[in-house]
Amino acid sequence: QKEVEQNSGPLSVPEGAIASLNCTYSDRGSQSFFWYRQYSGKSPELIMFIYSNGDKEDGRFTAQLNKASQYVSLLIRDSQPSDSATYLCAGGGNTGKLIFGQGTTLQVKP
Amino acid sequence: DTGVSQDPRHKITKRGQNVTFRCDPISEHNRLYWYRQTLGQGPEFLTYFQNEAQLEKSRLLSDRFSAERPKGSFSTLEIQRTEQGDSAMYLCASSLGQTLGSPLHFGNGTRLTVT
Repeated sequence: QKEVEQNSGPLSVPEGAIASLNCTYSDRGSQSFFWYRQYSGKSPELIMFIYSNGDKEDGRFTAQLNKASQYVSLLIRDSQPSDSATYLCAGGGNTGKLIFGQGTTLQVKP
Repeated sequence: DTGVSQDPRHKITKRGQNVTFRCDPISEHNRLYWYRQTLGQGPEFLTYFQNEAQLEKSRLLSDRFSAERPKGSFSTLEIQRTEQGDSAMYLCASSLGQTLGSPLHFGNGTRLTVT
């Protein structure tokens, strides 16, 4: 069993819609969770992180964490074609080492 | 903050040759990580350093792989006797590593092709 699991997609949404990306993790020792965006051929770039149960909002992005269900999600409001990318979910503990999921490909269609 | 720098950006080598990659982290970051990423997969952890100490190495990592961070600044990753399966993007990242939620900042990566 992979430690961090994501649906590889692709997830296709129309421009202006809400994109919902999900992630589950198996290691209950994971304390913080990160969402990275990766464009084809580029390196991952941080979108946001969360370590407390509940929601965290940053602009058009909202991260949600439910430790009891071992579930993390990312909502992207008002999706734009420029949001089309692979979104990586990662979990980490005290060492700072992150374990990544395989990523979900998002396609935002104009 | 000049970001994480990796060199070279691309490397093509023949099977059996040795290759070495360099990573310069963000200057105030004390933790440095190496990851490997193949097409369609997320980054896979290889090893990490806190200052000059190598604190963890993936059990999946072959003995042909070695990493150093001699003065706690830049790091090198060497692959000896390369195999075609080593073809991947090698990513370096750094972090402050002091607080919960300290994010990893990635470099642009070194793309290795073994022919």
